[in-house]
Amino acid sequence: SQTIHQWPATLVQPVGSPLSLECTVEGTSNPNLYWYRQAAGRGLQLLFYSVGIGQISSEVPQNLSASRPQDRQFILSSKKLLLSDSGFYLCAWSAGQFNTEAFFGQGTRLTVV
Amino acid sequence: SQQGEEDPQALSIQEGENATMNCSYKTSINNLQWYRQNSGRGLVHLILIRSNEREKHSGRLRVTLDTSKKSSSLLITASRAADTASYFCATVMKTSYDKVIFGPGTSLSVIP
Repeated sequence: SQTIHQWPATLVQPVGSPLSLECTVEGTSNPNLYWYRQAAGRGLQLLFYSVGIGQISSEVPQNLSASRPQDRQFILSSKKLLLSDSGFYLCAWSAGQFNTEAFFGQGTRLTVV
Repeated sequence: SQQGEEDPQALSIQEGENATMNCSYKTSINNLQWYRQNSGRGLVHLILIRSNEREKHSGRLRVTLDTSKKSSSLLITASRAADTASYFCATVMKTSYDKVIFGPGTSLSVIP
C-alpha cells in the first residue's frame, strides 16, 4: 500500500535561517507531488507541484523553492526564512491522472521567530 | 488564485442532526473532491465526484454536483461528535488536471 512520510512534524526556525522540509512517498511510482501551505484557520494554498523528476511548477511567487531529486522525493526549501513563512506545510501525492484523489502527509508546523 | 469557496465558513449542530456544506467554483472542472481535516493534521479524502456525475453516496455522506451552477454540496447525515473537523472542497480543472485546488473550508462542530 502507498504511504507518504513528511518530516519534521514541528520546526521553530529564526528569521534568516535556511529551511529544508522533506517528503517521500512509498508504494507507487511516478506520482504527482504537491506542497501546500495552510495559514491558521484557512484553506490550503498550492505552492508547488511536480509531475516528474526535476519538473517543478510554482504557483505563487515567494521566498520558497522546491526540488524533486528522485521520483518519490519532494523537498521544500528556503535560503532565508521570513516571518511570513510561518504556517502549516502539507505534502501530498496523487496518481496524476484524471479522477484521482490526493493523499496527504501529516504536515509540518513551521514557526519562524 | 482560489478556485473553490465553501459556505458556510463555520457550522455548529447537535449530534444526530444533518450537516450541509456548499462549495462553489469558478472554472470548468474535471472532478470535485471533498476532504476532511482534523485539527492540526493532514487531510483525508472523503469522496470524489466527476463532472458527468450528479450525485454520489458514501456511507453517511452524500455529495451533489451542479455543473450549470458550478456548485457542489456535502451532506453528512446523522452527525456524530467525531465528525467535528474542517471540510474542504477541492477541484481539478479541465485545463490543468495535475493541480488540485482547495477552497477555504467549512469548520463543523458537532455538539454531543
